[in-house]
Amino acid sequence: QEKVQQSPESLIVPEGAMVSLNCSFSDSASQSIWWYQQHPGKGPKALISIFSNGNKKEGRLTVYLNRASLHVSLHIKDSQPSDSAVYLCAVRGSALGRLHFGAGTQLIVIP
Amino acid sequence: AQTIHQWPVAEIKAVGSPLSLGCTIKGKSSPNLYWYWQATGGTLQQLFYSITVGQVESVVQLNLSASRPKDDQFILSTEKLLLSHSGFYLCAWSLRTGVYEQYFGPGTRLTVL
Repeated sequence: QEKVQQSPESLIVPEGAMVSLNCSFSDSASQSIWWYQQHPGKGPKALISIFSNGNKKEGRLTVYLNRASLHVSLHIKDSQPSDSAVYLCAVRGSALGRLHFGAGTQLIVIP
Repeated sequence: AQTIHQWPVAEIKAVGSPLSLGCTIKGKSSPNLYWYWQATGGTLQQLFYSITVGQVESVVQLNLSASRPKDDQFILSTEKLLLSHSGFYLCAWSLRTGVYEQYFGPGTRLTVL
């Protein structure tokens, strides 16, 4: 069973700060890794994914994957109050349709 | 554009009573479908997935069952609710091949008393 651990549990930053979220996973055969954003009482929404070692940039988001250390991080540049949400790391397993979620990081951006 | 609808929005039920939650996806043919459960403050947990009508795979045993009676419909049910069934139930869909991004519905909040 894939284990997905996220840190920190929560983060409070001022508007404009760079935010860094971490995620470690246990299965080196994992396929892609996804970051989802979830607002209270809503379904998660996919933000960005990565499959290969290295980094990927989309707008204010950059994700880094290191398969050797089983670690992925998400960085949000110039954070905004609207970025306040729970960020979920999800690892796609090798079994069909399986997606394993971490417990999430609660981000609060103060105006 | 694809839309995903879940019903009901929220439900308050008694322990031991039956439950049926539904999900429909419009604008996408033959999607993969998924049910997830999230306890309050807990981790999102995959319960079931289906790749075609009439076929459902169970991922986690929580005394729940799922069915896919139509290509665009996914049903989650139980004959007897437990207190531990309380939480947030989410339906999701993905393409059969390619990127495998999962698109989530708005969810159903279930409270079992």
